[in-house]
Amino acid sequence: DGGITQSPKYLFRKEGQNVTLSCEQNLNHDAMYWYRQDPGQGLRLIYYSQIVNDFQKGDIAEGYSVSREKKESFPLTVTSAQKNPTAFYLCASSRTGFEKLFFGSGTQLSVL
Amino acid sequence: AQSVTQLDSHVSVSEGTPVLLRCNYSSSYSPSLFWYVQHPNKGLQLLLKYTSAATLVKGINGFEAEFKKSETSFHLTKPSAHMSDAAEYFCVVSDSILNNQAGTALIFGKGTTLSVSS
Repeated sequence: DGGITQSPKYLFRKEGQNVTLSCEQNLNHDAMYWYRQDPGQGLRLIYYSQIVNDFQKGDIAEGYSVSREKKESFPLTVTSAQKNPTAFYLCASSRTGFEKLFFGSGTQLSVL
Repeated sequence: AQSVTQLDSHVSVSEGTPVLLRCNYSSSYSPSLFWYVQHPNKGLQLLLKYTSAATLVKGINGFEAEFKKSETSFHLTKPSAHMSDAAEYFCVVSDSILNNQAGTALIFGKGTTLSVSS
């Protein structure tokens, strides 16, 4: 079955630590995205990539980094510069840029 | 465990006629429910949300949704469709047990494509 896999489901970060969230898809989609969800707010776009080895900042990229070395993978690193990292992170993909999105199951990140 | 089912993968309406996009959910707790819209070549936009206040929720662009606990439904409606409403619509449920903690797990439906003809 094709789909998007995010791991881990729950992640805990210590102060000053970098953590990486995994997102893998086997849908052969060119485009991948990272969104963040905070209570009472809509999803906000962190980064997106429309092709391998290329990515663009979304609305709230500060404190985050990404890479797109393979078509199937789009890992998100939450750096120590992100002062309020506790949130629900959702990965998505689409066949090409900003076509219908397919979503992973999300990662809940909390700060210890 | 929470889940959400969008009953129609594609809905076609004529401009000026009512829109109904159906969504059923299952939840062990009191859910929060959302509708998101994705217009062609654009990102996601929050249409409206239900968080245990009024059961009839009004959103942007004339859309509204009614939370019916007895039917476990949260259908999206609009009295009169406009050409600009053509888009992909996602029904979303959140795990309300986590609502009081920072970060809220979301479960997306598979989406309903709304087509509007003139």
